[in-house]
Amino acid sequence: AQSVTQPDIHITVSEGASLELRCNYSYGATPYLFWYVQSPGQGLQLLLKYFSGDTLVQGIKGFEAEFKRSQSSFNLRKPSVHWSDAAEYFCAVGDSGGSNYKLTFGKGTLLTVNP
Amino acid sequence: EAGVAQSPRYKIIEKRQSVAFWCNPISGHATLYWYQQILGQGPKLLIQFQNNGVVDDSQLPKDRFSAERLKGVDSTLKIQPAKLEDSAVYLCASSLGFRVVSGRGVTGELFFGEGSRLTVL
Repeated sequence: AQSVTQPDIHITVSEGASLELRCNYSYGATPYLFWYVQSPGQGLQLLLKYFSGDTLVQGIKGFEAEFKRSQSSFNLRKPSVHWSDAAEYFCAVGDSGGSNYKLTFGKGTLLTVNP
Repeated sequence: EAGVAQSPRYKIIEKRQSVAFWCNPISGHATLYWYQQILGQGPKLLIQFQNNGVVDDSQLPKDRFSAERLKGVDSTLKIQPAKLEDSAVYLCASSLGFRVVSGRGVTGELFFGEGSRLTVL
């Protein structure tokens, strides 16, 4: 069964600083990988996704993520963080498809942005 | 395009009472999911429907939780009787499934509603 590990429970950065959120996955085949963001009291919003091809994927709000098969990682990055980026971030892995296609989520990383 | 709708947004009940949550997925999405998100944790899948059939309910506590998706559109998740540990946000999501969509590339993402926050006292 697939699983996702987000090693950092809570990260604090200053506004304007760069950001990297870590994600490691466990899956036997080609993984389908996602990053979602959740603001307080809201549902999950998709930031970006990776299925195949270019290992560096661009998402919304200036985020990008890099798939590294050798490290089983899919880290999320942003060059300059804005105060509005404060939220919880979830990495997820999808299985290979079929009628029971579903996503398995990590426990999340809470991002705090200092002014 | 309308998103996934859920109601109620908030519900407070006492233990051993019952509660029901409703979800209306995005039009045309055959797959519907209910996830449970306990404070400080990631979403955990409770049940998955394909049209009106259950695909996966292996994580659903069937002694107290039930769900249905009549006519393959709306869905209801019920808890009876509720326990303290059921306090969580219940997220509904829908999806086209994993496929190539003309003009949009490969899909596979889930679209989430805003969730229903349950507090059991």
